[in-house]
This record gives sequence, C-alpha cells and structure tokens, in this order.
Amino acid sequence: SYELTQPPSVSVSPRQTARITCSGDALPQRPAYWYQQKPGQAPVLVIYKDTERPSGIPERFSGSSSGTTVTLTISGVQAEDEADYYCQSVDHSGTYWVFGGGTKLTVL
Amino acid sequence: QVQLVQSGAEVKKPGDSVKLSCKTSGYTFTIYYMHWVRQAPGQGLEWMGIINPDIGNTNYAQKFKGRVTMTRDSSTSTVYMELSSLRSEDTAVYYCARDANSYSMDVWGQGTTVIVSS
Repeated sequence: SYELTQPPSVSVSPRQTARITCSGDALPQRPAYWYQQKPGQAPVLVIYKDTERPSGIPERFSGSSSGTTVTLTISGVQAEDEADYYCQSVDHSGTYWVFGGGTKLTVL
Repeated sequence: QVQLVQSGAEVKKPGDSVKLSCKTSGYTFTIYYMHWVRQAPGQGLEWMGIINPDIGNTNYAQKFKGRVTMTRDSSTSTVYMELSSLRSEDTAVYYCARDANSYSMDVWGQGTTVIVSS
C-alpha cells in the first residue's frame, strides 16, 4: 500500500524556521495537504494543494513541493505552533487517501 | 457555520460492533463527501474510508474492507460509520471529516472515543 514518510520529530527555537518534510512517490502527480493537531483536538488544515493556505491560517505557514518531497515551512515559529503535523495525499490511482506518520514539532 | 457533531463515547467488548454518527449542519449535505479517520492512543491519523452522501456510494481503505460500513440519512443530514468484529486494536478516537472537493478534509468533527475492552 502507498505510504508517506515524515520525520518523527523536529525541534526549533522560537522565531526560527521549522521545515517538515513528507516523501511519497506519487507526490509529483498528486497534491499534498498538511494538518496541525494539538493535544486533545481535531486536526486543522493548514496547507492545501501543496502550497495554498486556507483563510485564517497565519502567513508564517507555507508549503512547497519538489519531486517526491513536499515541505511544510513555518517561519518565525511561535510557542503556539508546537503540535503534531501530518501530511496527507492520495495514491497513484486517486482511490485511497493516506496520511504520513506525523511529525511532532517541539518549540525549544 | 459548518458543523459536524459526533455521537458520544462508546465502550464495547471484543467481537461487538459499534455504529457512530456524525450530524452535519450549515451546508448542503449532498454536495460534500465525508471521510472517517481514526487515531489510536498516541498514534497517527488513519484513513478509513469515504462516502458520497448524495447517492450513498462508498470507498473503504483496504484494511477495513469487510468490517466497515458507511451510510447516510439525508433526512437528518447525518452520516454513520459501523465497524464490526471489534478488537482491542480498534480502541481509538474516530473522526468524521468533510471532503473539501480537493482530496483534502476541511472541517472535522470533535471525535468519538471508542474503547474496546473485555
């Protein structure tokens, strides 16, 4: 079955830039999405179609894509950004949705 | 505003079935597909399947085929997810999430905790 691979954890100091990657061999053909999940809460969509930001999401969140890897970048990280982040896409056929394993972002 | 309100927590025994509900409001029910996603304690998100509320057709993740059934009631704008032959590994928070018509999920329910224990 299709898989998306994320690093388990990323640590960054406040006001620095955090980058979280997600790899999958269908990503050149299929869009990627990013969700933020804080403890005890439902996920929130922060990036859609690789690079687009939903209304209400701060400008410090951005997305990019290069080949089989997509990246979520958080510029000027704030303490409130500490959360788990999940990438999501679909398989080559567009039939099955899949999530990456998640990355825990720690703000030092 | 768009809302997805899920049913309350459940405690089941191994071998039981559970049927969860997700009542929608604030938008046209039949226009947006609905996903079910689960999260085991301390684990990541796992996609279970999707239902088209308009005509009721479904697509399930391979892992759950044969055990999951997603249905809808258009008269109450509610979708349901039934999981059978429960085992301890099915202990999780189950979310419904609206498909944003772009392969993503833009609105989520608050989640329903299901505990499977003898």
